[in-house]
Amino acid sequence: DQQVKQNSPSLSVQEGRISILNCDYTNSMFDYFLWYKKYPAEGPTFLISISSIKDKNEDGRFTVFLNKSAKHLSLHIVPSQPGDSAVYFCAASNKNAGNMLTFGGGTRLMVKP
Amino acid sequence: DAGITQSPRYKITETGRQVTLMCHQTWSHSYMFWYRQDLGHGLRLIYYSAAADITDKGEVSDGYVVSRSKTENFPLTLESATRSQTSVYFCASSEGEWSNTEAFFGQGTRLTVV
Repeated sequence: DQQVKQNSPSLSVQEGRISILNCDYTNSMFDYFLWYKKYPAEGPTFLISISSIKDKNEDGRFTVFLNKSAKHLSLHIVPSQPGDSAVYFCAASNKNAGNMLTFGGGTRLMVKP
Repeated sequence: DAGITQSPRYKITETGRQVTLMCHQTWSHSYMFWYRQDLGHGLRLIYYSAAADITDKGEVSDGYVVSRSKTENFPLTLESATRSQTSVYFCASSEGEWSNTEAFFGQGTRLTVV
């Protein structure tokens, strides 16, 4: 049973518009959430994170929102750029269970010029 | 080179063979991990290690063995490779136990079992 789910396998947006990637989780013990970006033939790279004590974290064009009651988080990219085209993974961890990350299945974002 | 490196980048092996994937990090991170990436499954944890000589199973550990005699190295061995182990394997590392922090990933090893 997947504890972290990304229900949209792919998303296509126009350059300059907002990209919204969604992630749902089931384990209420998760206390830290991360987004990773992955280009083909490369390892995932860290993008942005949020602690469970916050509901929003912003870093430049990237903002992550956390809704604990709904067990839902989302990544907003504004404005989207063609270089943002990649696979985005949502991940969660519980520091009391080691630093293991549990990943979602990923969403492929395509930003069209 | 600084960072985390995996070798080989690509490997083709036959069913039943033993194969070892190497992982080396230069940050002295306590934690190291092995994940596999498969279509539709994202990244799934195979094994992790909290420190040298401490390892534990992840979600999909059957058929795999790890060791960690030195902090910087975390090799993954497939004892008798099967076609279902065809995948892309990623090694990762992160800092100490009580810090919520990101993991850093290697470039991956694409393994094909024929």
